[in-house]
Formats: sequence, C-alpha cells, structure tokens
Amino acid sequence: AQSVTQPDIHITVSEGASLELRCNYSYGATPYLFWYVQSPGQGLQLLLKYFSGDTLVQGIKGFEAEFKRSQSSFNLRKPSVHWSDAAEYFCAVGSLIQGAQKLVFGQGTRLTINP
Amino acid sequence: GAGVSQSPSNKVTEKGKDVELRCDPISGHTALYWYRQSLGQGLEFLIYFQGNSAPDKSGLPSDRFSAERTGGSVSTLTIQRTQQEDSAVYLCASSFTGVEQFFGPGTRLTVL
Repeated sequence: AQSVTQPDIHITVSEGASLELRCNYSYGATPYLFWYVQSPGQGLQLLLKYFSGDTLVQGIKGFEAEFKRSQSSFNLRKPSVHWSDAAEYFCAVGSLIQGAQKLVFGQGTRLTINP
Repeated sequence: GAGVSQSPSNKVTEKGKDVELRCDPISGHTALYWYRQSLGQGLEFLIYFQGNSAPDKSGLPSDRFSAERTGGSVSTLTIQRTQQEDSAVYLCASSFTGVEQFFGPGTRLTVL
C-alpha cells in the first residue's frame, strides 16, 4: 500500500533562513507527488507537483522540490522563508484509481517562523 | 465563485443526529473527492466520484457514512447517527484532469 512519511512534526526557522521539509514515500510505480500547504482554518493549497521529467520542480511562493527515486524522497525547499510561510505542509502521493488520483497524505509538518 | 465551496463551514450536532455536508465543485470538474482531517488520523480519503458514479468508496469508515452526487456537480456527504469520533474537518476537492485536485475550505464537524 502507498504511504507517505514526513519525519518532522514541527519545525521552527528564523525569517530569512532556508527551509527544507522532508518527505519519503512508498509506492510501487512511478509516483505522482504533491506538496500542499494549509493555513489555519483554510483548505489545502497546491504548492507544486511532480509527474515525470525534470526531477527539480518549481512551485508557487518560491518553493521547489526535488524528486529522488533512489531515496524515495520528495523534499520541499525554500531559500529564504517569510513570516507568511508559517502554516502546515503536507506531502502526498497519488494513487491511480480508474483514471483519477486518490491522494495519500503524510501526517504534515507544522512550520513556525521566528521573527 | 471560482473555487470549491463547502457548506456549512461549521456544524455542531448532538450524538445520534444525522448531518449533511455539501460540496460545490469548480464548474466543469468531473472528478470530486471527499477527505477527512482529524487529529488522530490525519488526512484520509473517504470517497471519489467520476461524474455521478462513485468508483471508489473504500475510505468510508462505516455504513453510517454515505455520499451522492447529482448532475455531475453538487455532492452531499451524509453521516447518520453521528458519534463523537466523527468530529473532524471534512474536505472536498474537485479535479478536471483527474490528477490535480483543488480543495475547498472544509466543514468543521463537532459532535457533542
């Protein structure tokens, strides 16, 4: 069965510092991978996605992620965080069901930004 | 509106009552998904619709949960005889491509 692990439940970084959020997945084939962000009281917003091709993908808000098949990882990075990046981040793998993707999510990483 | 909408945004109910949660997908999106977000279980898939059909109901936690979709648009998730463990945020998502999903703001359900 597909699974996603986000090893860090909570991360605190200073504003302006770099960020890396870890994600490891388990999937039998080439995965569809996603990162979503959830601000308090809000739904999920898609940051970026990987389907195939270039293993470094760019997303919104200055985020990027790198797919590493050998490590079964899809880590999210940002060179310099802003206070507005404080939120919960979810990594997900898409499980194909009859032409559509059922998302299996990690437990999430809560990001706190220190001023 | 351009996004997925859900109603109500908050619902407080008493144990044993039935509740209905509504999702309005983005116009033209044929795929619709329901997920549940709870403290203990994280984000979990409940059910998926393609048009008005539900090819995958595997995530529904019990027979107290049901969902329907009419006209290939609006979907309703119904929970009968609610229990305290049903308290969660219920999220709806829709998709045109079947791959990229757009989420609504969710309905927070509290069962007293």
